[in-house]
Amino acid sequence: GNSVTQMEGPVTLSEEAFLTINCTYTATGYPSLFWYVQYPGEGLQLLLKATKADDKGSNKGFEATYRKETTSFHLEKGSVQVSDSAVYFCALSSQGAQKLVFGQGTRLTINP
Amino acid sequence: NAGVMQNPRHLVRRRGQEARLRCSPVKGHSHVYWYRQLPEEGLKFMVYLQKENIIDESGMPKERFSAEFPKEGPSILRIQQVVRGDSAAYFCASSLDRGEYFGPGTRLTVL
Repeated sequence: GNSVTQMEGPVTLSEEAFLTINCTYTATGYPSLFWYVQYPGEGLQLLLKATKADDKGSNKGFEATYRKETTSFHLEKGSVQVSDSAVYFCALSSQGAQKLVFGQGTRLTINP
Repeated sequence: NAGVMQNPRHLVRRRGQEARLRCSPVKGHSHVYWYRQLPEEGLKFMVYLQKENIIDESGMPKERFSAEFPKEGPSILRIQQVVRGDSAAYFCASSLDRGEYFGPGTRLTVL
């Protein structure tokens, strides 16, 4: 079946550090890939997405590139801020299916 | 959260009671999804509905759980005879296409 595996957390960085959160997936066909962010006490917000191989999703300084050859969709940001502290979820939606399959989430804490 | 409304935000029930969770999708969205998030875990799909139809309920427990999305009004997730293991955050999402918009969730606590 379809699955998503994320880098285990928690991840703690200093402000302005470079961020990478790894995400790999298993799916048949050509899934769409997503990163969601969940701030404390809130629901999920779509951060970025990519719908086909080699697409790059970007938003708020975050980027992720859909790599079919490595079945990966790693999240990166060049310089993190304290306000980026949250839980980040990688997810996929397979062809012909509407539902999302989520990774377990990675808790990110940014210290000033 | 792109306009998905959920209520209540917090719900406390005693074992054996019923829990009723409501979700109003973004205006114009006809697809509704329910997910459950256990503490420190990712979201797990429960059910996908369109107006008056259950499309995919593969993630729903076979007993005590039911969902509906009537022609008029919000989608309802109903949990009968709640148990402590039902304590979780329940999120509703709506969409026109992939990449759903999520509501703020209902945090259910079963005492």
